[in-house]
Amino acid sequence: GAVVSQHPSRVICKSGTSVKIECRSLDFQATTMFWYRQFPKQSLMLMATSNEGSKATYEQGVEKDKFLINHASLTLSTLTVTSAHPEDSSFYICSASPFKDRVAYEQYFGPGTRLTVT
Amino acid sequence: SQQGEEDPQALSIQEGENATMNCSYKTSINNLQWYRQNSGRGLVHLILIRSNEREKHSGRLRVTLDTSKKSSSLLITASRAADTASYFCATQETSGSRLTFGEGTQLTVNP
Repeated sequence: GAVVSQHPSRVICKSGTSVKIECRSLDFQATTMFWYRQFPKQSLMLMATSNEGSKATYEQGVEKDKFLINHASLTLSTLTVTSAHPEDSSFYICSASPFKDRVAYEQYFGPGTRLTVT
Repeated sequence: SQQGEEDPQALSIQEGENATMNCSYKTSINNLQWYRQNSGRGLVHLILIRSNEREKHSGRLRVTLDTSKKSSSLLITASRAADTASYFCATQETSGSRLTFGEGTQLTVNP
């Protein structure tokens, strides 16, 4: 099956610093990737849709200047949490869909990145 | 916002028993998908059922979809301790679009 990787898997940073999380589709090209956030014992909340070569589309309530998304290639999207605060501590998960014949199939999820802001 | 509601929120059963989880949604959909998540890990795709399908099987999994009631169920037969995880339903309004997740069901299978 299709594989999506994330790096790093865990990161601890100090309040006020920035953290970059990478999401890569390893064996397929993805024009669209999605970024989710998950708090403990809760479901996944979509933060933004990342489109290769264009600006990301952010969900209501998600600050685009705080969560910078760059989809520089068909296999890589990055999420940068700027000026991180303890309330940004969460599990961040990306996903991507391989396209065949212009139809998107199941989304494949990365293993997630645990961010802890101290 | 989450459009899916799942019940039960938590389910505890003995190994060998069947586990049934339900999911309801609010909008028209292209497909509904079920995912599994082990604690602190990413999601694993289990099964996708399209809006024109009513039932689908995959190994010990059976999924039903009732578009008139906007609901779906996931049945895991002959459960194993290794099935312990959180299970989420997710809907797509169009192929390739964003997924909207339900609240999830925490399944515990006791050996």
